[in-house]
Amino acid sequence: DAGVIQSPRHEVTEMGQEVTLRCKPISGHDYLFWYRQTMMRGLELLIYFNNNVPIDDSGMPEDRFSAKMPNASFSTLKIQPSEPRDSAVYFCASSSSGTALYGYTFGSGTRLTVV
Amino acid sequence: AQSVTQPDIHITVSEGASLELRCNYSYGATPYLFWYVQSPGQGLQLLLKYFSGDTLVQGIKGFEAEFKRSQSSFNLRKPSVHWSDAAEYFCAVGAGAAGNKLTFGGGTRVLVKP
Repeated sequence: DAGVIQSPRHEVTEMGQEVTLRCKPISGHDYLFWYRQTMMRGLELLIYFNNNVPIDDSGMPEDRFSAKMPNASFSTLKIQPSEPRDSAVYFCASSSSGTALYGYTFGSGTRLTVV
Repeated sequence: AQSVTQPDIHITVSEGASLELRCNYSYGATPYLFWYVQSPGQGLQLLLKYFSGDTLVQGIKGFEAEFKRSQSSFNLRKPSVHWSDAAEYFCAVGAGAAGNKLTFGGGTRVLVKP
């Protein structure tokens, strides 16, 4: 199993540009989570999906952020327009329903820098 | 709402010495509890978890943790630290359906002196 795959690993963009982060969860996992990690705020849950349906997006900071999961094997997190304060590491994680015992499987993250 | 507190932001320990990382949680029901480790530039890796049963749980890399309901704690321990244990450690509590919604503590960064 290749694990949770995120792309790109690093992204540098200019303020005002649109940024799209991508995630491929582990096959068979029906929960998908997007987290943001910053020095100031630590790990924050942005949104999570169950069976491709957004369940809780209360952590999405602003309307500039949106996330989709068009199918069980792909999710995107989009920021439009991007701002310097969006600079962070964004993690995607997946989990199998009923197996919280195993926690999440995290991807390696996307380090976003907005200049 | 659930919350997790890790009181120690940084801990420095000598190689071969013992390590204990503190974690206190707040949750209204029986919690699912986890410890994750993050090496520099990497994602988070699950060390161990607790959901019921024996309150002392064993994990990977020689780590163990003890659940104490009366103290709302889930402290992580390792008897003898190796230089490769230098990393950041996160405690998390699971809520929601099957504990799938995790809330993380702020993390404890461990430095290992030779």
